[in-house]
Amino acid sequence: DTEVTQTPKHLVMGMTNKKSLKCEQHMGHRAMYWYKQKAKKPPELMFVYSYEKLSINESVPSRFSPECPNSSLLNLHLHALQPEDSALYLCASSQEPQIQETQYFGPGTRLLVL
Amino acid sequence: QKEVEQDPGPLSVPEGAIVSLNCTYSNSAFQYFMWYRQYSRKGPELLMYTYSSGNKEDGRFTAQVDKSSKYISLFIRDSQPSDSATYLCAMILSNDYKLSFGAGTTVTVRA
Repeated sequence: DTEVTQTPKHLVMGMTNKKSLKCEQHMGHRAMYWYKQKAKKPPELMFVYSYEKLSINESVPSRFSPECPNSSLLNLHLHALQPEDSALYLCASSQEPQIQETQYFGPGTRLLVL
Repeated sequence: QKEVEQDPGPLSVPEGAIVSLNCTYSNSAFQYFMWYRQYSRKGPELLMYTYSSGNKEDGRFTAQVDKSSKYISLFIRDSQPSDSATYLCAMILSNDYKLSFGAGTTVTVRA
């Protein structure tokens, strides 16, 4: 089973709201990733978690706050977003960080910021 | 110059045709190469994963890697309307975490 699940599928929020995106995998993967994808563009890496610790932050604004409560779960907390943050947010996982392993993506959360 | 170049298309072919997709790259240190398929409004789905130069076949899909030319290809035989999607090439350095993606090629297979 190579499934990564994400909730919610769709999210609409105002610029003053606080919301969270959730990602889950039960493949025993120890690396988890958040990506942002704008229409007709490839995914852009935001964060990497390695063994439940944040290892990479690709200069993402602080209005995005990741959290890894355990080895199967990854959250992305959103606060005071801007309309330009509207995008598809993808979670991915791989077996081991920095040892070559394929990344498996979830279906994404489509976010609209009004 | 982008690290990974991929023609965004769009590419339209009749059902049953061979779809040919390719990417070129500039960093000769890339070691691992992937093709993802992404349907509209969905996450990327891994199709093929290769390491060495040469061919790898999986059903109707064949991935080719030519490291000397820094060129990778994906061929889809007997294409079906269900193959209509955006195809993203991606590559990664050894011992790295960051995938470098091509722009993605949008393919439509006409029934």
